[in-house]
Amino acid sequence: AQSVSQHNHHVILSEAASLELGCNYSYGGTVNLFWYVQYPGQHLQLLLKYFSGDPLVKGIKGFEAEFIKSKFSFNLRKPSVQWSDTAEYFCAVNVNQAGTALIFGKGTTLSVSS
Amino acid sequence: DTGVSQDPRHKITKRGQNVTFRCDPISEHNRLYWYRQTLGQGPEFLTYFQNEAQLEKSRLLSDRFSAERPKGSFSTLEIQRTEQGDSAMYLCASSSVLAEQYFGPGTRLTVT
Repeated sequence: AQSVSQHNHHVILSEAASLELGCNYSYGGTVNLFWYVQYPGQHLQLLLKYFSGDPLVKGIKGFEAEFIKSKFSFNLRKPSVQWSDTAEYFCAVNVNQAGTALIFGKGTTLSVSS
Repeated sequence: DTGVSQDPRHKITKRGQNVTFRCDPISEHNRLYWYRQTLGQGPEFLTYFQNEAQLEKSRLLSDRFSAERPKGSFSTLEIQRTEQGDSAMYLCASSSVLAEQYFGPGTRLTVT
Protein backbone atom coordinates (compact mmCIF):
# COMPACT_ATOMS: atom_id res chain seq x y z
CA ALA A 1 0.00 0.00 0.00
CA GLN A 2 1.13 3.52 -0.71
CA SER A 3 2.41 5.55 2.22
CA VAL A 4 3.90 8.93 3.01
CA SER A 5 6.63 9.47 5.59
CA GLN A 6 7.45 12.77 7.22
CA HIS A 7 10.75 12.51 9.00
CA ASN A 8 10.38 15.21 11.61
CA HIS A 9 7.58 15.15 14.13
CA HIS A 10 8.40 18.48 15.75
CA VAL A 11 10.79 21.16 14.52
CA ILE A 12 11.74 24.18 16.61
CA LEU A 13 13.41 27.16 14.92
CA SER A 14 14.21 30.75 15.61
CA GLU A 15 12.94 33.47 13.32
CA ALA A 16 15.08 33.92 10.20
CA ALA A 17 16.36 30.35 10.33
CA SER A 18 16.06 28.21 7.23
CA LEU A 19 13.56 25.39 7.08
CA GLU A 20 13.53 22.04 5.38
CA LEU A 21 10.88 19.44 6.10
CA GLY A 22 11.35 15.99 4.67
CA CYS A 23 8.71 13.96 2.88
CA ASN A 24 9.08 10.58 1.20
CA TYR A 25 6.42 8.49 -0.48
CA SER A 26 6.25 4.87 -1.51
CA TYR A 27 4.84 4.45 -5.00
CA GLY A 28 6.65 3.77 -8.22
CA GLY A 29 4.17 5.24 -10.66
CA THR A 30 2.81 8.67 -11.47
CA VAL A 31 2.14 10.80 -8.43
CA ASN A 32 0.80 14.22 -7.63
CA LEU A 33 2.31 15.82 -4.55
CA PHE A 34 1.04 18.40 -2.12
CA TRP A 35 1.97 20.24 1.01
CA TYR A 36 -0.85 21.45 3.22
CA VAL A 37 -0.54 23.71 6.25
CA GLN A 38 -2.78 24.01 9.26
CA TYR A 39 -2.33 27.16 11.32
CA PRO A 40 -3.55 27.07 14.93
CA GLY A 41 -7.33 27.09 15.01
CA GLN A 42 -7.67 27.04 11.24
CA HIS A 43 -8.44 24.39 8.65
CA LEU A 44 -6.07 22.71 6.22
CA GLN A 45 -4.86 25.02 3.48
CA LEU A 46 -2.98 24.17 0.32
CA LEU A 47 0.59 25.46 0.44
CA LEU A 48 1.81 24.14 -2.90
CA LYS A 49 1.34 21.35 -5.39
CA TYR A 50 3.23 19.38 -8.00
CA PHE A 51 1.48 17.73 -10.92
CA SER A 52 4.14 17.71 -13.65
CA GLY A 53 6.82 19.85 -15.24
CA ASP A 54 9.45 21.79 -13.32
CA PRO A 55 10.27 19.74 -10.22
CA LEU A 56 10.89 22.89 -8.21
CA VAL A 57 7.54 24.36 -7.29
CA LYS A 58 6.83 27.58 -5.51
CA GLY A 59 3.89 28.09 -3.20
CA ILE A 60 2.42 30.76 -1.04
CA LYS A 61 4.25 32.70 1.66
CA GLY A 62 7.72 32.04 0.25
CA PHE A 63 7.59 28.25 0.50
CA GLU A 64 8.98 25.97 -2.19
CA ALA A 65 9.35 22.24 -2.64
CA GLU A 66 11.49 20.06 -4.84
CA PHE A 67 10.33 16.79 -6.35
CA ILE A 68 13.18 14.31 -6.69
CA LYS A 69 11.72 11.29 -8.44
CA SER A 70 14.76 9.08 -7.92
CA LYS A 71 14.54 9.62 -4.18
CA PHE A 72 10.73 9.49 -3.97
CA SER A 73 10.98 12.77 -2.10
CA PHE A 74 9.15 16.09 -2.01
CA ASN A 75 10.87 18.21 0.63
CA LEU A 76 9.50 21.57 1.71
CA ARG A 77 11.84 24.54 2.12
CA LYS A 78 11.79 28.15 3.18
CA PRO A 79 14.94 30.25 3.40
CA SER A 80 13.86 32.38 6.36
CA VAL A 81 10.97 31.45 8.64
CA GLN A 82 8.75 33.87 10.50
CA TRP A 83 6.87 33.51 13.77
CA SER A 84 3.67 33.36 11.72
CA ASP A 85 4.86 30.12 10.08
CA THR A 86 4.17 28.28 13.33
CA ALA A 87 1.77 25.55 12.20
CA GLU A 88 1.41 21.89 11.36
CA TYR A 89 2.58 20.84 7.92
CA PHE A 90 1.30 17.81 6.05
CA CYS A 91 2.74 16.18 2.97
CA ALA A 92 0.22 14.32 0.79
CA VAL A 93 0.18 12.34 -2.42
CA ASN A 94 -2.33 10.90 -4.80
CA VAL A 95 -1.42 8.34 -7.37
CA ASN A 96 -2.02 8.11 -11.09
CA GLN A 97 -4.19 11.18 -11.32
CA ALA A 98 -5.26 14.13 -9.25
CA GLY A 99 -8.74 14.21 -7.87
CA THR A 100 -8.50 10.84 -6.15
CA ALA A 101 -7.86 9.91 -2.54
CA LEU A 102 -5.04 11.76 -0.84
CA ILE A 103 -2.59 9.83 1.31
CA PHE A 104 -1.19 12.01 4.06
CA GLY A 105 1.89 11.84 6.21
CA LYS A 106 1.54 12.18 9.96
CA GLY A 107 2.50 15.83 9.88
CA THR A 108 5.30 17.98 11.25
CA THR A 109 4.68 20.60 13.89
CA LEU A 110 6.80 23.70 13.32
CA SER A 111 7.32 26.08 16.22
CA VAL A 112 9.06 29.37 15.43
CA SER A 113 10.25 31.55 18.28
CA SER A 114 10.59 35.29 17.85
CA ASP B 1 -15.25 33.25 -2.15
CA THR B 2 -17.19 30.65 -0.20
CA GLY B 3 -15.09 27.69 0.78
CA VAL B 4 -16.11 24.25 1.94
CA SER B 5 -18.46 24.40 4.91
CA GLN B 6 -19.30 21.70 7.42
CA ASP B 7 -22.02 21.39 10.00
CA PRO B 8 -21.98 20.95 12.91
CA ARG B 9 -18.50 22.01 13.95
CA HIS B 10 -18.67 20.01 17.15
CA LYS B 11 -20.78 17.03 18.15
CA ILE B 12 -20.84 15.22 21.46
CA THR B 13 -22.83 12.01 21.54
CA LYS B 14 -23.25 8.98 23.71
CA ARG B 15 -21.99 5.62 22.61
CA GLY B 16 -24.60 3.77 20.60
CA GLN B 17 -26.27 6.88 19.19
CA ASN B 18 -26.39 7.75 15.50
CA VAL B 19 -24.87 10.98 14.19
CA THR B 20 -25.02 12.74 10.84
CA PHE B 21 -22.67 15.37 9.48
CA ARG B 22 -23.18 17.65 6.52
CA CYS B 23 -20.69 19.06 4.02
CA ASP B 24 -21.31 21.79 1.45
CA PRO B 25 -18.54 21.87 -1.18
CA ILE B 26 -17.32 24.78 -3.24
CA SER B 27 -20.16 25.26 -5.68
CA GLU B 28 -18.36 24.53 -8.96
CA HIS B 29 -16.57 21.42 -7.64
CA ASN B 30 -17.97 18.08 -8.71
CA ARG B 31 -15.78 15.90 -6.47
CA LEU B 32 -16.34 15.65 -2.74
CA TYR B 33 -14.23 13.73 -0.24
CA TRP B 34 -14.50 12.62 3.37
CA TYR B 35 -11.49 12.10 5.61
CA ARG B 36 -11.02 11.31 9.28
CA GLN B 37 -8.24 12.71 11.43
CA THR B 38 -7.22 11.61 14.90
CA LEU B 39 -4.74 13.30 17.22
CA GLY B 40 -1.18 13.11 16.00
CA GLN B 41 -2.11 11.65 12.63
CA GLY B 42 -2.66 13.01 9.18
CA PRO B 43 -6.11 12.82 7.62
CA GLU B 44 -7.17 9.34 6.47
CA PHE B 45 -9.32 8.90 3.40
CA LEU B 46 -12.82 7.51 3.87
CA THR B 47 -14.70 7.96 0.61
CA TYR B 48 -15.28 10.25 -2.34
CA PHE B 49 -17.98 11.18 -4.82
CA GLN B 50 -18.05 12.51 -8.31
CA ASN B 51 -21.36 14.28 -8.59
CA GLU B 52 -23.80 11.86 -6.93
CA ALA B 53 -21.77 8.70 -7.64
CA GLN B 54 -19.67 7.25 -4.82
CA LEU B 55 -16.50 6.25 -6.64
CA GLU B 56 -14.29 4.87 -3.90
CA LYS B 57 -14.60 3.71 -0.31
CA SER B 58 -11.78 2.98 2.09
CA ARG B 59 -11.71 -0.17 4.16
CA LEU B 60 -11.83 2.25 7.09
CA LEU B 61 -15.46 2.88 6.17
CA SER B 62 -17.13 0.13 8.16
CA ASP B 63 -20.74 -0.95 7.74
CA ARG B 64 -21.73 1.56 10.41
CA PHE B 65 -20.65 4.43 8.18
CA SER B 66 -22.64 5.60 5.19
CA ALA B 67 -22.19 8.62 2.98
CA GLU B 68 -24.51 10.12 0.42
CA ARG B 69 -24.52 12.95 -2.06
CA PRO B 70 -28.05 12.73 -3.41
CA LYS B 71 -28.13 15.60 -5.85
CA GLY B 72 -24.45 16.00 -6.47
CA SER B 73 -24.26 19.06 -4.25
CA PHE B 74 -24.00 18.68 -0.46
CA SER B 75 -23.07 15.40 1.19
CA THR B 76 -23.92 13.70 4.47
CA LEU B 77 -21.89 11.24 6.48
CA GLU B 78 -23.80 9.11 8.96
CA ILE B 79 -22.31 6.98 11.68
CA GLN B 80 -24.64 4.45 13.25
CA ARG B 81 -24.20 2.97 16.73
CA THR B 82 -21.24 5.19 17.51
CA GLU B 83 -18.28 3.79 19.41
CA GLN B 84 -15.62 5.60 21.40
CA GLY B 85 -13.12 4.79 18.66
CA ASP B 86 -15.16 6.95 16.28
CA SER B 87 -14.07 10.06 18.17
CA ALA B 88 -12.12 12.10 15.64
CA MET B 89 -12.21 15.12 13.39
CA TYR B 90 -14.21 14.42 10.23
CA LEU B 91 -12.99 16.49 7.31
CA CYS B 92 -14.67 17.21 4.03
CA ALA B 93 -12.88 18.41 0.91
CA SER B 94 -13.89 19.24 -2.62
CA SER B 95 -12.19 19.60 -5.97
CA SER B 96 -12.69 19.84 -9.66
CA VAL B 97 -11.76 16.69 -11.57
CA LEU B 98 -7.98 16.23 -11.78
CA ALA B 99 -7.29 19.13 -9.41
CA GLU B 100 -6.22 19.88 -5.87
CA GLN B 101 -8.55 19.43 -2.91
CA TYR B 102 -9.81 22.22 -0.68
CA PHE B 103 -10.72 21.35 2.88
CA GLY B 104 -13.46 22.51 5.19
CA PRO B 105 -13.07 23.27 8.90
CA GLY B 106 -14.12 19.79 10.00
CA THR B 107 -16.62 18.34 12.47
CA ARG B 108 -15.12 17.25 15.77
CA LEU B 109 -16.95 14.20 17.11
CA THR B 110 -16.64 13.14 20.72
CA VAL B 111 -18.26 9.87 21.74
CA THR B 112 -18.73 9.49 25.48
